Amino acid sequence: NAGVTQTPKFRILKIGQSMTLQCTQDMNHNYMYWYRQDPGMGLKLIYYSVGAGITDKGEVPNGYNVSRSTTEDFPLRLELAAPSQTSVYFCASTYNGFQETQYFGPGTRLLVL
Amino acid sequence: AQSVTQLGSHVSVSEGALVLLRCNYSSSVPPYLFWYVQYPNQGLQLLLKYTTGATLVKGINGFEAEFKKSETSFHLTKPSAHMSDAAEYFCAVSDPPGNQFYFGTGTSLTVIP
Repeated sequence: NAGVTQTPKFRILKIGQSMTLQCTQDMNHNYMYWYRQDPGMGLKLIYYSVGAGITDKGEVPNGYNVSRSTTEDFPLRLELAAPSQTSVYFCASTYNGFQETQYFGPGTRLLVL
Repeated sequence: AQSVTQLGSHVSVSEGALVLLRCNYSSSVPPYLFWYVQYPNQGLQLLLKYTTGATLVKGINGFEAEFKKSETSFHLTKPSAHMSDAAEYFCAVSDPPGNQFYFGTGTSLTVIP
């Protein structure tokens, strides 16, 4: 099992550009999550999904969109990149809910200039 | 909304000394509690978790934590620090039935030889 994989590892965007951060898990987990990590701020939940076709907002959803067409994939879309979106993004998954261990991907470092 | 407080953003201990990392949470219902560790340029991985049952929880690498409801705390300890323990440690809480994970701001542990 590869676990949770994320691509790309690093990306530089110009203000106003768009991009999609990819996340795939091969553990047949139902729940998937997107977080951003900023220095001294811990992790903030952006969006989560409880299964294919079902997504919901987390604590900091503004400026992002998600979709979940399959159990395995949970891409995060930035439509109009802003400097405030410079961060490290982590995808995670659990089998069936918020009482379980989260399995994290290695992260995507995004710089918006 | 939940809040998670980790006292001390940086903690330094000597090799072989006791490690104590503090975590307090706010919740009106018994929460689920987690400690995660993050090594440089990696995703987070679970150290230990409390859901129900015994309040003293043992995790990997010799770490343990005790859930104290009266103090709303879940402090992480290890009797003897090893150089390999140097990392960032995050306390996290989820509160049923809400679908959210809340992370503390993290504590960076330095181990001095």
